[in-house]
Amino acid sequence: TQLLEQSPQFLSIQEGENLTVYCNSSSVFSSLQWYRQEPGEGPVLLVTVVTGGEVKKLKRLTFQFGDARKDSSLHITAAQPGDTGLYLCAGARLRGGSEKLVFGKGTKLTVNP
Amino acid sequence: DTAVSQTPKYLVTQMGNDKSIKCEQNLGHDTMYWYKQDSKKFLKIMFSYNNKELIINETVPNRFSPKSPDKAHLNLHINSLELGDSAVYFCASSQMTSGGTQYFGPGTRLTVL
Repeated sequence: TQLLEQSPQFLSIQEGENLTVYCNSSSVFSSLQWYRQEPGEGPVLLVTVVTGGEVKKLKRLTFQFGDARKDSSLHITAAQPGDTGLYLCAGARLRGGSEKLVFGKGTKLTVNP
Repeated sequence: DTAVSQTPKYLVTQMGNDKSIKCEQNLGHDTMYWYKQDSKKFLKIMFSYNNKELIINETVPNRFSPKSPDKAHLNLHINSLELGDSAVYFCASSQMTSGGTQYFGPGTRLTVL
């Protein structure tokens, strides 16, 4: 059972365009994290959202956590070739005092110059 | 000043062999993890250790045996390798068992022939 549905799976756009990646679930998470992964490397944390309705901005990236803490979105404004990569959302679930991250299947973003 | 390191980076082996992957973190973190990323980039947790004690075991076959000699190291030993074990394995660490940022290693690409 895939707890986190991430869409779209692939996205190819031109430099300067805007895009949104969605991460949806029927489960509630204690927090939701967004990672970016480059080829041959491990995922790197971009942001953690904790409160329902929370919005965080990281330069041209805007992250939002749904009011019910079940879904999230990542919006990139004026995408640049350097934004190319695999974007992963991960929901945090607490179990017995420890945290387990459940990852979405990722969105492979390609920004063409 | 590598934070989380893994060896080897690439591992090619025959079906039925036994192999180990090593992970070390120099961040002083208490919690370490092993993740498996399949060919479709789906990242899934396998194990989590806190201060050398197993806290998460995600129904991984018992051919996989993690070992933590100290809290800075978490090694993964795999017995009787199967074709389906081919994947990229990531080690990660975090300061706490919950609510802390997870730092990922560069990954070990395992290919079973």
